[in-house]
Amino acid sequence: SYELTQPPSVSVSPGQTARITCSGDALPKQYAYWYQQKPGQAPVLVIYKDSERPSGIPERFSGSSSGTTVTLTISGVQAEDEADYYCQSADSSGTSLVFGGGTKLTVL
Amino acid sequence: QITLKESGPTLVKPTQTLTLTCTFSGFSLSTSGVGVGWIRQPPGKALEWLALIYWDDDKRYSPSLKSRLTITKDTSKNQVVLTMTNMDPVDTATYYCAHPRRYCSSTSCYSWFDPWGQGTLVTVSS
Repeated sequence: SYELTQPPSVSVSPGQTARITCSGDALPKQYAYWYQQKPGQAPVLVIYKDSERPSGIPERFSGSSSGTTVTLTISGVQAEDEADYYCQSADSSGTSLVFGGGTKLTVL
Repeated sequence: QITLKESGPTLVKPTQTLTLTCTFSGFSLSTSGVGVGWIRQPPGKALEWLALIYWDDDKRYSPSLKSRLTITKDTSKNQVVLTMTNMDPVDTATYYCAHPRRYCSSTSCYSWFDPWGQGTLVTVSS
């Protein structure tokens, strides 16, 4: 079955830039989406269609795509950004949706 | 404003069938392009997509769980029901329903979830 691969953890100091990657063979054909999940809460969409930001999401959140890897970038990380982040996409046919394994962002 | 809420049993026994209901507001499953999806998350683990149903009764299932899942809709009640057969302790998870957003180009359609319900924890144990 199709898989998306994320690093288990990323750590940054406040004010620095955090980059979380997500790799998958079908990403050149399929868009990627990113969700933020804080403990005990439901996921919240922070990026859609690789790089679009929903209304209400701070400008410090951005997304990019290059080949089989997509990247969520958080510029000027704040303590409140500490959370788990999940990428989501679809297989090459687009019929089966898939989530990455998640990345725990720690703000030092 | 779109809201969704999951309901169902908090405890099921192994081999039993789980039935979860998603009750939503702010949209209608009689509207073209609209759908509801289910996603689960075992404690401390990653999200896993389960199923998706659209306004036209188009249904999509996770390939690994397809044989155990059934998704249906009741448009008049603004509800979507997910059933999962032959429950096992490894199915212990928080189950979320979510509203899929959809973008269709000339060649393909793409789906993502926004917003999500609060989730309901289902424990499988004898």
